[in-house]
Amino acid sequence: DIQMTQSPSSLSASVGDRVTITCRASQGIRNYLAWFQQKPGKAPKSLIYAASSLQSGVPSRFSGSGSGTDFTLTISSLQPEDFATYYCQQFDSYPLTFGGGTKVEIK
Amino acid sequence: EVQLVESGGGLVQPGGSLRLSCAASGFTFSDHYMDWVRQAPGKGLEWVGRIVNKANSYTTQHAASVRGRFTISRDDSKNSLYLQMNSLKTEDTAVYYCARVGITYYYDHWGQGTLVTVSS
Repeated sequence: DIQMTQSPSSLSASVGDRVTITCRASQGIRNYLAWFQQKPGKAPKSLIYAASSLQSGVPSRFSGSGSGTDFTLTISSLQPEDFATYYCQQFDSYPLTFGGGTKVEIK
Repeated sequence: EVQLVESGGGLVQPGGSLRLSCAASGFTFSDHYMDWVRQAPGKGLEWVGRIVNKANSYTTQHAASVRGRFTISRDDSKNSLYLQMNSLKTEDTAVYYCARVGITYYYDHWGQGTLVTVSS
């Protein structure tokens, strides 16, 4: 199975900050990676697919990059509604696997 | 508007069975692959499995943790996805989500989830 490792597991940031979250795959997954946002008690929300493509309706302050084994999710200017937990998931091969999550908290 | 509504969760004893449903509306259900994803209390997301569409012979994939105990199926005439869960264990306690695989082959819509609690 492909292991997905996210870092950091949590971070504190202020509104307006630039935030970067990293996701590393245990083997190459080309660009078959997605990012999700989840708020407490809510279902995940799809943000980015194919490593860098924005889902419809997602603000442009979110961006993704990477290929192979190393990927990043960047929030260019953190907004109050962005405080949440973020997950990556590889879609390269079964079983599809998620990273452990990164909790973005208010500083 | 795309809607996915899970139901069927509840409290069940270890060794018991439960069938979850996911009712789909607002799109041509039969065209899409569908997945189940779960989340244990306070934990991260875990992929449970997938069923593809009729054009691809309704093939299923299941995570090793549930293989042989859980079965994913669908009824396109009812726009519904199912998860039959047998031989339930306490570690199966989780919120179960259905997710639509979009034309991009990634998730684009999620249901709100249904809670399954396995406890004596």
